[in-house]
Parts: sequence; C-alpha cells; structure tokens
Amino acid sequence: GQSLEQPSEVTAVEGAIVQINCTYQTSGFYGLSWYQQHDGGAPTFLSYNALDGLEETGRFSSFLSRSDSYGYLLLQELQMKDSASYFCAVSRMNTGFQKLVFGTGTRLLVSP
Amino acid sequence: DAGVIQSPRHEVTEMGQEVTLRCKPISGHDYLFWYRQTMMRGLELLIYFNNNVPIDDSGMPEDRFSAKMPNASFSTLKIQPSEPRDSAVYFCASSRGADTQYFGPGTRLTVL
Repeated sequence: GQSLEQPSEVTAVEGAIVQINCTYQTSGFYGLSWYQQHDGGAPTFLSYNALDGLEETGRFSSFLSRSDSYGYLLLQELQMKDSASYFCAVSRMNTGFQKLVFGTGTRLLVSP
Repeated sequence: DAGVIQSPRHEVTEMGQEVTLRCKPISGHDYLFWYRQTMMRGLELLIYFNNNVPIDDSGMPEDRFSAKMPNASFSTLKIQPSEPRDSAVYFCASSRGADTQYFGPGTRLTVL
C-alpha cells in the first residue's frame, strides 16, 4: 500500500520559520512535491525534490531524504498570506506512467 | 496562457440527476487528471489520461462515474445518477510529461 503522514495543523507568528514534515511509504517512488492551497482556491505547485537534499525557492525550501522516506517544507519570514493548507505529494511510477498521491494536508495559521 | 479551465464553477443539483463537469487543459500538456476533494477524504485522484487515453481509473468510486477525453483540449467527468455523497470540489489538472501539475479552479458540486 501507500501512505503519507503530515501534521494536521501548525501555527506560527509573522516573521517566524516553520517546518512541515512529511513521511511516506510507497512503491515506485519517483519524487516528492509540495503544493499550497488557500481556502476556496486550487492547489498550486511550490517545489519538487527527486534527489536527496535541499531545494530553495525564495522564502520556501524543501528537503528530501529518500533513505528515510522523509521530507519537509521550510517556510521562512512567514507572512499572513502564507496561511493556507500545504500538501506533500508522492510521485509514483506505475507501468511507465507517473501519478501523484497527496497527503491529507497541513493547515498553517500565521498570526500577527 | 489561460491556465486550466473548468466549468461550471458551481453546480447545485438534485439527487438522481446527471452532472457533467468540463475541463480544458493547458495547450501542449499531454496529461490530464481529475481529482475530488472533500474534508473527509482529502484530495483523491479519480482518473488520469495520457494523450487522451485513460491510463488509470482505479480511483473512480463506482460505475456512476465516467470520464472521457475526446481530444487534447477537452475532457468531461460525468456522474449519473448523482447522490448527496458526491458533493465535493472536483479539480482538473494538466501537466507536460512528469512535470508540475497545474490545477484548474475547481467545480464545487452540491447534490441535494
């Protein structure tokens, strides 16, 4: 089978740093993605890790350890607009085709 | 580019009625995905197509659900007959190969 685990909710204050962890169990693992979704909106892509290590994109960074089946999303210099749900998603290869399996999401609440 | 286009944005119908959701992927993208999102089950992949061919429909809940992609620029997801438990937000997403998936704005379906 397959499973992804991430915390259901995280709270932080403006300007702080927050880390959202994701652990996964799956076959045919290809990579780990992170998506952001604001209330009433659609998921939007944030980052993707296929190899071990850290990927940095502005205030957001994502890390992957394939040996530990673990990754995290790091958000720095938090802003109010970062309040949203964050989903990790595993890319699985199956019969030559790739698909995403999403975690249940972490709701981030940023307060002043 | 206009992004992924979905219609309608909101649909309210009565139990037993047929519902058709529509999606226009981003031009040049060869993958199209249909997802359903609810509070209870999160974001679930229903079916995906590659070059207009259905690849994996294992996520389709039951025979009441069907999806077609008659050409590279159009796909439909049909529910017949609809039931209250089908109430959810339905997202269409597209991608070029194994790259980032771009989500449409979603269709919020309410079945009374």
